[in-house]
Amino acid sequence: GAVVSQHPSRVICKSGTSVKIECRSLDFQATTMFWYRQFPKQSLMLMATSNEGSKATYEQGVEKDKFLINHASLTLSTLTVTSAHPEDSSFYICSATKRAGGYGYTFGSGTRLTVV
Amino acid sequence: DQQVKQNSPSLSVQEGRISILNCDYTNSMFDYFLWYKKYPAEGPTFLISISSIKDKNEDGRFTVFLNKSAKHLSLHIVPSQPGDSAVYFCAASGFGGSNYKLTFGKGTLLTVNP
Repeated sequence: GAVVSQHPSRVICKSGTSVKIECRSLDFQATTMFWYRQFPKQSLMLMATSNEGSKATYEQGVEKDKFLINHASLTLSTLTVTSAHPEDSSFYICSATKRAGGYGYTFGSGTRLTVV
Repeated sequence: DQQVKQNSPSLSVQEGRISILNCDYTNSMFDYFLWYKKYPAEGPTFLISISSIKDKNEDGRFTVFLNKSAKHLSLHIVPSQPGDSAVYFCAASGFGGSNYKLTFGKGTLLTVNP
């Protein structure tokens, strides 16, 4: 089956620093990867969609300069939270699909980011 | 404006009984629906899905029903087991193009009591 690995599982960083989260598809090539954010007791909110080799498409209200997404290969996408602030503390989850428009979404295990 | 709604934040069921989780949607362009199970501090795990051309899909103890005219779907779990205790998310998508991204409901916390 499709496996998506997300690292780190949790990270604590100081305010003003940057944090990189990696999302890897281990046994398939992911043409499209999605990044979500989840606040406590809330839904998963899509932040951006990234396609390999092209710029990410950000959802309305998501700052592209703050949440940098890179999808340089078919198995790796990264989300970098730049100049993190306490309000960026959240649970970030990636998902990957084998082909554009496909419904075989596989989710990573998530990253708990705490900015202090 | 929430396009996928799960109006029950929580549900408690006795082991062995049926669990029914409900989901409503407003966007008529949605034509594919999925249910995910999620434990705390973990990513969602796919459970079952249904295409709009069907009104029922069954997989073991899990059955999803879709009522397109009412824009309503439900997930039935029978018999419920304590290990089913988790948050269940309903998600919807349109087919192809830029509509393939998932829109999630807020989730329903299911507790199955032994």
